[in-house]
Amino acid sequence: DGGITQSPKYLFRKEGQNVTLSCEQNLNHDAMYWYRQDPGQGLRLIYYSQIVNDFQKGDIAEGYSVSREKKESFPLTVTSAQKNPTAFYLCASRKTAKESYTFGSGTRLTVV
Amino acid sequence: AQKITQTQPGMFVQEKEAVTLDCTYDTSDQSYGLFWYKQPSSGEMIFLIYQGSYDEQNATEGRYSLNFQKARKSANLVISASQLGDSAMYFCAMREGAGGYNKLIFGAGTRLAVHP
Repeated sequence: DGGITQSPKYLFRKEGQNVTLSCEQNLNHDAMYWYRQDPGQGLRLIYYSQIVNDFQKGDIAEGYSVSREKKESFPLTVTSAQKNPTAFYLCASRKTAKESYTFGSGTRLTVV
Repeated sequence: AQKITQTQPGMFVQEKEAVTLDCTYDTSDQSYGLFWYKQPSSGEMIFLIYQGSYDEQNATEGRYSLNFQKARKSANLVISASQLGDSAMYFCAMREGAGGYNKLIFGAGTRLAVHP
């Protein structure tokens, strides 16, 4: 079955270390997105990409970086510049402009 | 300014009763889309229902219906015959942006608890 795979489900890192969250989709979707969710809050957009080798900043891009070298993959790096990286991170994808977004199961990042 | 407003942080409903979750939005676009997602405690986001701004009929998907009032800029979710498994966070979202370069903007969510 097609879907979005986010790995790992739980991730622990020490403060000051960069960490990369994986997002892979086999849905042949063009657009991919990264969202951050804090406890009891809605989702906030970090970065998004409509096509390979192109991406745009979302509302809270500071301290994060992304790449889109392949259509299937959109990894997110949380850098040491991100002041409060502990959060739940969700990856999503979409085929065309009017279709629903498909979400992965998320990665819960804890920085200690 | 908030673009998606969900004014109910928490709601309670008795099993088998209907419940309405409120959502208002703000946009100057003529073409936009409104979504509702369910997020259980596991964290996954489950798509429930979609309403396009030019759709004349209110969207329905099984027990879910969307009460779309364009002039009031509201897109309330109605869940009929609530079940215990409906207990979750519910998010209203709006598709913003033109053509392929669009993105989803989310509200803060409403936590629904269904009581037996």
